[in-house]
Amino acid sequence: DAGVIQSPRHEVTEMGQEVTLRCKPISGHNSLFWYRQTMMRGLELLIYFNNNVPIDDSGMPEDRFSAKMPNASFSTLKIQPSEPRDSAVYFCASSARGSGANVLTFGAGSRLTVL
Amino acid sequence: EDQVTQSPEALRLQEGESSSLNCSYTVSGLRGLFWYRQDPGKGPEFLFTLYSAGEEKEKERLKATLTKKESFLHITAPKPEDSATYLCAVPPFGNEKLTFGTGTRLTIIP
Repeated sequence: DAGVIQSPRHEVTEMGQEVTLRCKPISGHNSLFWYRQTMMRGLELLIYFNNNVPIDDSGMPEDRFSAKMPNASFSTLKIQPSEPRDSAVYFCASSARGSGANVLTFGAGSRLTVL
Repeated sequence: EDQVTQSPEALRLQEGESSSLNCSYTVSGLRGLFWYRQDPGKGPEFLFTLYSAGEEKEKERLKATLTKKESFLHITAPKPEDSATYLCAVPPFGNEKLTFGTGTRLTIIP
């Protein structure tokens, strides 16, 4: 298995631009999580899905952030418009409910820099 | 509010020098405490899950233990390749997500 695949690995953009991060979870995993990591705040959960349905989006900072999961093999996290304070590493993770629940497998992350 | 606190923030050890990392938690109805390892430029990688006080798990030079208020990650005779950030996490009650501590950055000096 190729693991959780994220793209792009690095993104540099200017304030006000739209950013789209992509994630392909492990096949057969039915929970998907988006986390953000910064030096100041560590790993913070933004949103998670079960069976493609958003369950908890209480960590989404504001309306500029949105996430979708149109099918079991693909999810996007979009920031529009982006701001410098959004600079962070964004991780996608997946897990299989009912089998080692909460054992998340993380992708390599997308490092976002907003100038 | 569920909280996870890790200490120390950073730890430098000589190769072979054993030590312990601490994870203190406050959560309603613990449903597992998780340890992850994160290497620079990579995502966290699962190490252990502990479910009840007194439980211990081992993997190579690492041993994780759990009490009712905290967990320890003991590292015995570490090697430079053990250098990483170690994260602990707990699931809030009734939830599948994980709340992470800010981690301990461990450096093993050859």
